[in-house]
Amino acid sequence: AQSVSQHNHHVILSEAASLELGCNYSYGGTVNLFWYVQYPGQHLQLLLKYFSGDPLVKGIKGFEAEFIKSKFSFNLRKPSVQWSDTAEYFCAVNAGDMRFGAGTRLTVKP
Amino acid sequence: KAGVTQTPRYLIKTRGQQVTLSCSPISGHRSVSWYQQTPGQGLQFLFEYFSETQRNKGNFPGRFSGRQFSNSRSEMNVSTLELGDSALYLCASSYRPDTANYGYTFGSGTRLTVV
Repeated sequence: AQSVSQHNHHVILSEAASLELGCNYSYGGTVNLFWYVQYPGQHLQLLLKYFSGDPLVKGIKGFEAEFIKSKFSFNLRKPSVQWSDTAEYFCAVNAGDMRFGAGTRLTVKP
Repeated sequence: KAGVTQTPRYLIKTRGQQVTLSCSPISGHRSVSWYQQTPGQGLQFLFEYFSETQRNKGNFPGRFSGRQFSNSRSEMNVSTLELGDSALYLCASSYRPDTANYGYTFGSGTRLTVV
């Protein structure tokens, strides 16, 4: 079965800093890739997804992610974070069933 | 339309007991997946049901089981509870397994504490 690794457990940034959260997966075939976000006290929500085509995908709230097939990576980026981006972020891979990474907790200091 | 409903929201059980958690998917959704969420482990896949059949199962011991009813509601059962089973159990639904690619809808979860 596929597996997902998220490199950073906890990231602390100041407002307006740039963000990049790493995600690598292991699966040799075709995959669909996702980033989900869980704001404090809220449900998990879909941030963005990649199926095929342009490897740079844009999601909600100014987030984007780049699929690099050769590196089995799907890193999440945002040029300028806001305090409201404080949340836990999960990378996920679907190759038959949806598998999630361990999550990265992002704290943005005002 | 109503979201994914999980009951109960909170549960405290003692070691050795068993527990049953319930998940009602969004109306029309027939695929239900269960996850265990713990700090540092993220979401670990338990199983997925579609049309009353288990499609996939994660790497959990046989103490974890589930089922899905004809109305798509799903239950998961954990027998002989251990302290390490304390976690948030999440349910997610989609129309069909392949439509999970358009995004799951998650419930609020059931917080299970084993003492």
